[in-house]
Amino acid sequence: KAGVTQTPRYLIKTRGQQVTLSCSPISGHRSVSWYQQTPGQGLQFLFEYFSETQRNKGNFPGRFSGRQFSNSRSEMNVSTLELGDSALYLCASSLAPATGGDSFGSGTRLTVV
Amino acid sequence: DQQVKQNSPSLSVQEGRISILNCDYTNSMFDYFLWYKKYPAEGPTFLISISSIKDKNEDGRFTVFLNKSAKHLSLHIVPSQPGDSAVYFCAASGLQGAQKLVFGQGTRLTINP
Repeated sequence: KAGVTQTPRYLIKTRGQQVTLSCSPISGHRSVSWYQQTPGQGLQFLFEYFSETQRNKGNFPGRFSGRQFSNSRSEMNVSTLELGDSALYLCASSLAPATGGDSFGSGTRLTVV
Repeated sequence: DQQVKQNSPSLSVQEGRISILNCDYTNSMFDYFLWYKKYPAEGPTFLISISSIKDKNEDGRFTVFLNKSAKHLSLHIVPSQPGDSAVYFCAASGLQGAQKLVFGQGTRLTINP
């Protein structure tokens, strides 16, 4: 079966712009989580969605937001981009929360210049 | 505050020998622990998990040990193979995985032929 699909793979934006990243979970998976990976901070949890509702949220400013659609696809949005937002953004899906062993996509590499 | 720490950024091991990756945590509410493996340009791949009700879980060449009193877990890979060269992340969660995953910063494992 197809894995977690994230688009686009690479993105370059300028400071102050906004960006929307997309994640299509594995078919049948209803829980989607987003993570930010940077060299200095490792993998940091952004948010988790299940049945179109945000279940958990990490310690990120309000510029970071997300949503989930009825088909379980998810988007995350970052507004007013800053240089420090440059990172690999990873999406993970699972059948439901608390099932562990999430499957990750390959990520979207965002570069802010 | 780094609740999950992998103090060794890198580890080099000879092919065929044992690789031991370590992880420490500070939050006593964590009760579910996972290890992920990540190749460049790919998302993390789930390897193995352990619940706090156990102190050992084994899956083929991979064994995870949990020492709750020391708040320490380790991943043993025996025997190490060149394909094991990757970055390994440990992660922890509360409520048996119902809470968000908190990741360590990763350890880059290199297996030398």
